[in-house]
Amino acid sequence: SQQGEEDPQALSIQEGENATMNCSYKTSINNLQWYRQNSGRGLVHLILIRSNEREKHSGRLRVTLDTSKKSSSLLITASRAADTASYFCATTPYSSASKIIFGSGTRLSIRP
Amino acid sequence: EADIYQTPRYLVIGTGKKITLECSQTMGHDKMYWYQQDPGMELHLIHYSYGVNSTEKGDLSSESTVSRIRTEHFPLTLESARPSHTSQYLCASSEFKPGPDTGELFFGEGSRLTVL
Repeated sequence: SQQGEEDPQALSIQEGENATMNCSYKTSINNLQWYRQNSGRGLVHLILIRSNEREKHSGRLRVTLDTSKKSSSLLITASRAADTASYFCATTPYSSASKIIFGSGTRLSIRP
Repeated sequence: EADIYQTPRYLVIGTGKKITLECSQTMGHDKMYWYQQDPGMELHLIHYSYGVNSTEKGDLSSESTVSRIRTEHFPLTLESARPSHTSQYLCASSEFKPGPDTGELFFGEGSRLTVL
């Protein structure tokens, strides 16, 4: 991958369980964002965390960032069938504030 | 609701044809991007623009070209399409923010291109 690797590539859980996805990246960053993509559609922004932040919450979403390990995690609590989608992390390299580079994505399936 | 539009949504063409994928946004965003994405795969940045008359190549080598004559318009052109160009092309825009901050990206619905 050009910048980010996501783990796992695919995740299937029961409705109501929590889903955790991880993202690792290679270069120093200004910030990291998470996006969601429903099949065949454009991406929708979920949350942004700056390089000087360690944790951020938005509704059922919790994002952490560890710049020393160059990694981030996205936790979705109390999952719903409507959360079924692909989730991507995206980083802005420190060397180029206009580039936004995406990871390989995690395909999340929520079983009813 | 994001105001960024891509046309066509679907296009099937023969090898050697010239095509232009259109992308327009009504949010007044300075930054615009083109990504290429194969089904179920990661997005690859192929072109981006800081503003009018500025264009840059992304990390994925591409035979396409772009132009930015107006703020709201960022078309992508393939002079001679080949089967290897078959993919989904996603356009996005973001507002300019000073310093290291990056605005969130607003995406269009994508243009799915098939070259026979």
